[in-house]
Amino acid sequence: DAMVIQNPRYQVTQFGKPVTLSCSQTLNHNVMYWYQQKSSQAPKLLFHYYDKDFNNEADTPDNFQSRRPNTSFCFLDIRSPGLGDAAMYLCATSRETVSDTQYFGPGTRLTVL
Amino acid sequence: AQKVTQAQTEISVVEKEDVTLDCVYETRDTTYYLFWYKQPPSGELVFLIRRNSFDEQNEISGRYSWNFQKSTSSFNFTITASQVVDSAVYFCALSVHRGSTLGRLYFGRGTQLTVWP
Repeated sequence: DAMVIQNPRYQVTQFGKPVTLSCSQTLNHNVMYWYQQKSSQAPKLLFHYYDKDFNNEADTPDNFQSRRPNTSFCFLDIRSPGLGDAAMYLCATSRETVSDTQYFGPGTRLTVL
Repeated sequence: AQKVTQAQTEISVVEKEDVTLDCVYETRDTTYYLFWYKQPPSGELVFLIRRNSFDEQNEISGRYSWNFQKSTSSFNFTITASQVVDSAVYFCALSVHRGSTLGRLYFGRGTQLTVWP
């Protein structure tokens, strides 16, 4: 089945130690998104790629970066994780933008010690 | 500005009861899209339905039904004969069709539904 895959499902890192989360998709969608979701909150969009075009949300901290080396893969890099970055990170894809449905992966739960 | 309000933070029902989750949205755009997602304890957001602003027909899918009313800016979700497996957080979301907000989903805060056996 076509799907959105995120690895790892659970990630533990130390304060200040860089961490990379990965997302892959077999849907061949043009758009990939990264969301941060903290406990009991709605997902918050960090950035998205439309093909190779990177779109950063204005309030996304500089500590968060992303790479999309090809259509199928997208990475979220957290350069110096702080305790406040502990959250669920959700990757989503859509064929195009706006009207198209976003399909989400299972998420990576990040713990910062 | 876009906004989605889910006034019900938590709802508890007993299995087989019907339950309605409320969603009220705000937008000045005439073209917009409404969504419902389910988030079970595992964390994945599962797509349930998408509705565009020009289609006010209600929809039924098995035990799920959606009532879209532009006059009240509401897009409510009803589960008939609820089951324990329906326990999850349900998010209502809105996207609009213009400019720099392309692709952005505006989420409500979610409603935690607990169905007791």
